[in-house]
Amino acid sequence: DVKVTQSSRYLVKRTGEKVFLECVQDMDHENMFWYRQDPGLGLRLIYFSYDVKMKEKGDIPEGYSVSREKKERFSLILESASTNQTSMYLCASSPLGTVDQPQHFGDGTRLSIL
Amino acid sequence: DQQVKQNSPSLSVQEGRISILNCDYTNSMFDYFLWYKKYPAEGPTFLISISSIKDKNEDGRFTVFLNKSAKHLSLHIVPSQPGDSAVYFCAASGNDYKLSFGAGTTVTVRA
Repeated sequence: DVKVTQSSRYLVKRTGEKVFLECVQDMDHENMFWYRQDPGLGLRLIYFSYDVKMKEKGDIPEGYSVSREKKERFSLILESASTNQTSMYLCASSPLGTVDQPQHFGDGTRLSIL
Repeated sequence: DQQVKQNSPSLSVQEGRISILNCDYTNSMFDYFLWYKKYPAEGPTFLISISSIKDKNEDGRFTVFLNKSAKHLSLHIVPSQPGDSAVYFCAASGNDYKLSFGAGTTVTVRA
């Protein structure tokens, strides 16, 4: 079974802090994704990566950056956290190939910015 | 603007009956559609998918129907069971790996 592990289930930070969310997958997947989930909006794609050191912006990249130094690890960075970034953050991975490979998700990090 | 819409935020159904979840999309470039199920405090898990070359796909109690001309898909769960109580997300993709998700429908199965 694919395992996507997010380092923290709950995180509380203050406005202006630099925040790192970590994600590790164990299935050698090329593609990795970061989403945020908000009530009434579903999941929205922040960034994704299809290879080491490669990244592409999703639908809502503003205020975020990412890092992929190793294939199994994809980090989401909030450069200067703001209260509107309080949300549930979900990481996912999928193999390269045809687009019909479903994404596998971690259990999420609930981030609160005070 | 959301390209995938689930207009019913919630659905309550009696155990043993059929659950029908609906999803509409606006982007005609979408050609692959998925349903995910999410329990509280867990990540979404893949449930079933359908390619645009088909109009129906079945997997046990779950069937997804696609009407391309109407840009509409639906998920049928028959019979509904208490363990089906969860949030269901509809998602769609085009020729890349990005998924666009709907807002979700919370299903409650009553005993």
